[in-house]
Amino acid sequence: EPEVTQTPSHQVTQMGQEVILRCVPISNHLYFYWYRQILGQKVEFLVSFYNNEISEKSEIFDDQFSVERPDGSNFTLKIRSTKLEDSAMYFCASRGQGHYNEQFFGPGTRLTVL
Amino acid sequence: AQSVSQHNHHVILSEAASLELGCNYSYGGTVNLFWYVQYPGQHLQLLLKYFSGDPLVKGIKGFEAEFIKSKFSFNLRKPSVQWSDTAEYFCAVNGASNTGKLIFGQGTTLQVKP
Repeated sequence: EPEVTQTPSHQVTQMGQEVILRCVPISNHLYFYWYRQILGQKVEFLVSFYNNEISEKSEIFDDQFSVERPDGSNFTLKIRSTKLEDSAMYFCASRGQGHYNEQFFGPGTRLTVL
Repeated sequence: AQSVSQHNHHVILSEAASLELGCNYSYGGTVNLFWYVQYPGQHLQLLLKYFSGDPLVKGIKGFEAEFIKSKFSFNLRKPSVQWSDTAEYFCAVNGASNTGKLIFGQGTTLQVKP
């Protein structure tokens, strides 16, 4: 069964450093998402991406964040200058064409900012 | 703004007990509703979804949920839980956005004692 994959599973970084979280969505999917979950809190929407551009973003997704689909298979989330409060689990999801399709989630990347 | 509220944060049941997890959402328009499950160490998986039609929705592993529009609720039920149902359960809604983004509740941790 096709699945969304994410790398790395755990990333530790120093405050102020740039990180890139990588996702490989399901191959024929067209809609891509990033969510995050701070420990003990809700899963929060960050950004959605369709047709090579951001279709919606939340207030969390400020200028420090960017997304890219560089090669038609990977979908990346970059945090330019990490802050302590960026420590969270980051989930990638993808969805196929069609209103009734569900989002398939990856296993997540745990980001720890020291 | 849309929001989702799950009433129970931590539920402990014995095997064969019945389960009901509450979920309420706030949004007056047409909504799509989801329950996702996250087993220990695994990624979010879809249990069931409601888009339209019969408000009683059946999902995988014997779960079902009932959409009650007048109560803005989408409670998850299972008549007889098993130890393997131990997991975290998330209710989610997609309504106001046409990008498909999901708004999640805070999650309910279910612990089933053998």
